[in-house]
Amino acid sequence: DAKTTQPPSMDCAEGRAANLPCNHSTISGNEYVYWYRQIHSQGPQYIIHGLKNNETNEMASLIITEDRKSSTLILPHATLRDTAVYYCIVRVTTLINDYKLSFGAGTTVTVRA
Amino acid sequence: DARVTQTPRHKVTEMGQEVTMRCQPILGHNTVFWYRQTMMQGLELLAYFRNRAPLDDSGMPKDRFSAEMPDATLATLKIQPSEPRDSAVYFCASGLVSRGHHQPQHFGDGTRLSIL
Repeated sequence: DAKTTQPPSMDCAEGRAANLPCNHSTISGNEYVYWYRQIHSQGPQYIIHGLKNNETNEMASLIITEDRKSSTLILPHATLRDTAVYYCIVRVTTLINDYKLSFGAGTTVTVRA
Repeated sequence: DARVTQTPRHKVTEMGQEVTMRCQPILGHNTVFWYRQTMMQGLELLAYFRNRAPLDDSGMPKDRFSAEMPDATLATLKIQPSEPRDSAVYFCASGLVSRGHHQPQHFGDGTRLSIL
């Protein structure tokens, strides 16, 4: 799986949009970008994933650059409950025996009132 | 929302004791994963099952750890004998392989294990 680079931490004001960057310059054509988060004392939670088109769901939006070397997770209106470690992971989904998620250090996001 | 359920949530026991952790995957999911999380190593994959068959347990210490799926609704991870270095949070996750694609994994809230 391609390596990802994320800032170690960032702060965000409650009610504002939180933009979380991720670099994955060595991503290959069949690798998807996944985002998970881990709130304190809970298991990792799936947020969103995409291949090359921008994606949106009830939790967040994922913007992938045209060259696919970087992406941004957007939490449109951050709340205190969004304080968590956010992980950006790239992986292939179509190889039946390629199932591992490699969690790096992630970005610790602190939402402040 | 469907959830992965893990029991117990917390376990404190003495070195040498057997520990059994249980996981109920999301109904309909055909893949189950066991992960371990520590401050030093982060999240590590221990074992992987597909359709109840173990496909990868290369992350587990074979001499003391064992993972099984007695049926589609139960996965177990056992440690015997337990050691202080096994202290960690153990997560179970389940997912679905469908039409050749791995769907996103969904995690339980973990078992926090402390071996004294």
